[in-house]
Amino acid sequence: EDKVVQSPLSLVVHEGDTVTLNCSYEVTNFRSLLWYKQEKKAPTFLFMLTSSGIEKKSGRLSSILDKKELSSILNITATQTGDSAIYLCAVLSGNTPLVFGKGTRLSVIA
Amino acid sequence: DTGVSQNPRHKITKRGQNVTFRCDPISEHNRLYWYRQTLGQGPEFLTYFQNEAQLEKSRLLSDRFSAERPKGSFSTLEIQRTEQGDSAMYLCASSRGQNYGYTFGSGTRLTVV
Repeated sequence: EDKVVQSPLSLVVHEGDTVTLNCSYEVTNFRSLLWYKQEKKAPTFLFMLTSSGIEKKSGRLSSILDKKELSSILNITATQTGDSAIYLCAVLSGNTPLVFGKGTRLSVIA
Repeated sequence: DTGVSQNPRHKITKRGQNVTFRCDPISEHNRLYWYRQTLGQGPEFLTYFQNEAQLEKSRLLSDRFSAERPKGSFSTLEIQRTEQGDSAMYLCASSRGQNYGYTFGSGTRLTVV
């Protein structure tokens, strides 16, 4: 059974800190890894990482895929209170729908 | 692109009642997915459609659950004889195809009392 594990499950930081969120996976026939941000309701898409695109960056957020270690990290620099959310990692493998981890709840305090 | 729309946003029902949720995907997306999310958990897959065909159902989807996508556009998820354990956020998502990311709706929060 495909498995996605995120760590830590929760994290509290001060504004301006840099955070690193971790995601590891055990799946057959890996296709891509996705990061989502979930505030109150709908998860919103951040990045998709594949074998041909192992590093993505958007503003203060960046993500790297390590296919050898079967893992990914999501970095957020100069955190702001608006970054407070649940960050979800999910993997597409074979023909199966997205499998999600439990998420990391990030709280950024002023 | 008006996004994925779900209705209702909230539903409170008594145990034993039937409920039905609706999802309207992004119009050019041929895949539609239903997920369930409870507190402290990531979304868990329930079922998905490609056009009007239901291609996969999770073992989480008991006989009390049924989903349809009759014309390959909107979809409905019905839960019969609701139980307290059905209380959760029900998320719908759509995608262009197998290798694309999903766009999620805002979800329907079900509370069974």
